[in-house]
Amino acid sequence: GAVVSQHPSRVICKSGTSVKIECRSLDFQATTMFWYRQFPKQSLMLMATSNEGSKATYEQGVEKDKFLINHASLTLSTLTVTSAHPEDSSFYICSATIAGGRGGTQYFGPGTRLLVL
Amino acid sequence: AQTVTQSQPEMSVQEAETVTLSCTYDTSESNYYLFWYKQPPSRQMILVIRQEAYKQQNATENRFSVNFQKAAKSFSLKISDSQLGDTAMYFCAFMSPTYSGGGADGLTFGKGTHLIIQP
Repeated sequence: GAVVSQHPSRVICKSGTSVKIECRSLDFQATTMFWYRQFPKQSLMLMATSNEGSKATYEQGVEKDKFLINHASLTLSTLTVTSAHPEDSSFYICSATIAGGRGGTQYFGPGTRLLVL
Repeated sequence: AQTVTQSQPEMSVQEAETVTLSCTYDTSESNYYLFWYKQPPSRQMILVIRQEAYKQQNATENRFSVNFQKAAKSFSLKISDSQLGDTAMYFCAFMSPTYSGGGADGLTFGKGTHLIIQP
């Protein structure tokens, strides 16, 4: 149980284009989903917190107009990187918490590797 | 703001040995959760163990156990009878609930410890 999927697993795009990454909780309803970014050989950094039906909360230094987050249902959150640039190349990981479940535990997706040329 | 420090960038032990990974954190909160996550080469984050700050008893999951010292703000992970499959990055993480009912807040991660189990 508690499986989270991400699609795509890897994407290459040209500079200036937009890329959408999907995060789905497959066997549970997720009250809250999170988006993290991980640069090579570094730790995970929280980008934003997404609650179903409301606006996402972004961490300091994360541009909300560049990283658009939509959490339209209890099983799906999307991250759209708009006008991507090479410095946006990174590993993006989502996680989700179970609605009404054990407080605090996050279940992670397998990640999406983004390369902007 | 919370900070999490892992002072061991890399550790290497022989298979079947016991290894302890250190983690310290800084917070002014009294209610929080601490986690150890494992990230193997596949980069999938896997929950290893979870500790609730209000529980004095150290969490245990099979070969994995923690030494939680709340006053010292220390949260070390002990892996007993280490196996080749334990080779991975290990991240210590902190989370403070948004409300007493156990709401969700983002995780603050340490920089990680690369653990290598030698055959």
